[in-house]
This record gives sequence, structure tokens and C-alpha cells, in this order.
Amino acid sequence: DSGVTQTPKHLITATGQRVTLRCSPRSGDLSVYWYQQSLDQGLQFLIQYYNGEERAKGNILERFSAQQFPDLHSELNLSSLELGDSALYFCASSPRTSGYDGELFFGEGSRLTVL
Amino acid sequence: QKEVEQDPGPLSVPEGAIVSLNCTYSNSAFQYFMWYRQYSRKGPELLMYTYSSGNKEDGRFTAQVDKSSKYISLFIRDSQPSDSATYLCAMSANTGFQKLVFGTGTRLLVSP
Repeated sequence: DSGVTQTPKHLITATGQRVTLRCSPRSGDLSVYWYQQSLDQGLQFLIQYYNGEERAKGNILERFSAQQFPDLHSELNLSSLELGDSALYFCASSPRTSGYDGELFFGEGSRLTVL
Repeated sequence: QKEVEQDPGPLSVPEGAIVSLNCTYSNSAFQYFMWYRQYSRKGPELLMYTYSSGNKEDGRFTAQVDKSSKYISLFIRDSQPSDSATYLCAMSANTGFQKLVFGTGTRLLVSP
């Protein structure tokens, strides 16, 4: 158990809808990262927050947004969903913003299916 | 062409075999190299981390980096059924996690 909690584990919705994925980082970790994992693209970095502030953006679509709250949990909002948004969405946390003497701790992911 | 290429497998081996998992990359600036293990329906977990070239050993696992060939490997000795998982390589030019580029993963199946 990594200590990172993601909800929901599974989500099925229709095109055009909006969903919210939630992540609780490990206790004390200030950095939260969101990744999208698909079969052909692998893990793609979406966005990073550190202590409530956005720190970096990756390949995140304009239809997607995220935030990190004062209690450090984070939410990823996906709107105007398309079939191609079906994927596993992972949240990861770290006590720092960089440095590989530490680790990136991943949650178990939220599987989104758009029909 | 992807920055990091990894054979998706599956790679099937009998228990006790030596396993070799590999990734090639195109960005010569990469200097931080990682291997993550991902069990089915779980998130990735860091297995090995190597900086620059050379070898690193941790128990049954050895990570090898050849920057001249832009090629990294993960060797698993005395493979066990519990090693059955997808192995992702990841690499970066700097220490920012947001800059990590992941391979698509190789699925390994170790049969008893």
C-alpha cells in the first residue's frame, strides 16, 4: 500500500459528460502529480501541484483541470468527455518537487470508461 | 518516433530463469533512469534508480545503463512467479518528476 488513495476506482460515463477524480496523497507529502495511462501512450504526465499551487503542466487538455486543496487532497476534473479519454488516471505524491533520492508514490488509479 | 521505446511483450519465462528487460531512448540528455514495477490493477512502484551510466544491483535485480548506445536494461535473476508484472522504464534529463518520460511497459509472466 503506497499510502496514496484514489477514488473512484472505476467510472463509466457517456461522451460529453464531466467527471471528478479525487486523490489523497501520503501523509505529509506536499506534491501531487496526475498521470494518464493508456495502452499505446504509456504513462503521460498531466499536471503537478505543490502545497496548493500549480507547479508544472504536461500534456493536459484544456477540457481537463485540477486543483489541490488546503488539506492537500487533489481533484482532477475532466469535462466534455470523448471516447479517447478512456484511460487509467493515476495520482502520485512525493514529499518534494524533485530529487530522485526520494520516490514517486502512485495510487491504484481510477479507470475511466467513456461510452 | 517515441522518446522511449519498450517492447510490450508479453515475455514468458519459467521460474528460476534470468530475465532481461530493455528500453531504448533517443534523447541523449537523459541521465536519470528508473524502473517501475506495476502489478495488475495497481499503480507503479519504484524498483530501481540509476544516475548516468553503469550498473546498480539490489538483491535479484540489476539495472544497467549504456548511454553510448542509449540503452538500459533490467535483469532479474532467479525469477519468481511473484515477479509477474508489467515493468516500466522511465527516464529524465533532470531531477523534476514532471519531466519523467515513461516507456509503455513490458509485461512479464513467470510460470511455476
